[in-house]
Amino acid sequence: NAGVTQTPKFQVLKTGQSMTLQCAQDMNHEYMSWYRQDPGMGLRLIHYSVGAGITDQGEVPNGYNVSRSTTEDFPLRLLSAAPSQTSVYFCASTLSAGTTVYTFGSGTRLTVV
Amino acid sequence: EDQVTQSPEALRLQEGESSSLNCSYTVSGLRGLFWYRQDPGKGPEFLFTLYSAGEEKEKERLKATLTKKESFLHITAPKPEDSATYLCAGFNQAGTALIFGKGTTLSVSS
Repeated sequence: NAGVTQTPKFQVLKTGQSMTLQCAQDMNHEYMSWYRQDPGMGLRLIHYSVGAGITDQGEVPNGYNVSRSTTEDFPLRLLSAAPSQTSVYFCASTLSAGTTVYTFGSGTRLTVV
Repeated sequence: EDQVTQSPEALRLQEGESSSLNCSYTVSGLRGLFWYRQDPGKGPEFLFTLYSAGEEKEKERLKATLTKKESFLHITAPKPEDSATYLCAGFNQAGTALIFGKGTTLSVSS
């Protein structure tokens, strides 16, 4: 089924560990983005990419790193996990920057202890 | 600062009891306003896009409207399956990302 695939669905990390959240889409979308969702805070943009090789920071980029080597994949790296990064992470894609119908993945629930 | 504010935070309705959700925005150079639905444990799903004041969009029991300052999501005769969190969003000034409100969690009981 076409869509946005996120892995893993659940993850527990210890403080200081690093990991990569995976995001892949098969719709040939140029634009991809990462959000985190916390209770009472809503969805906040971490990083986004308007095409392969182009990335930019969103509202809350600190502690996260991204790269976009292919159109299909947009991994999010946590360099040194902190309890404040406990959250649900969503990847979203759309045809191009400025188009309105975002397709979201099902999310990764991350707990940092 | 670009901002999207939704109210109320939570809304409880009886089946068949119509109501409205509100979204106000202070996004510079607004280029449309969008409504999404999010079910527990899932990612948001697109509902509507509104571009200009006076515009209306409908889907089943939902109707979204837009004025110069705010948007409303009207729910007519809701059913329990309409229970979800409804998110409002607008583009940032550069048009490079969606800014979301915190959402309204709707619970419809039979």
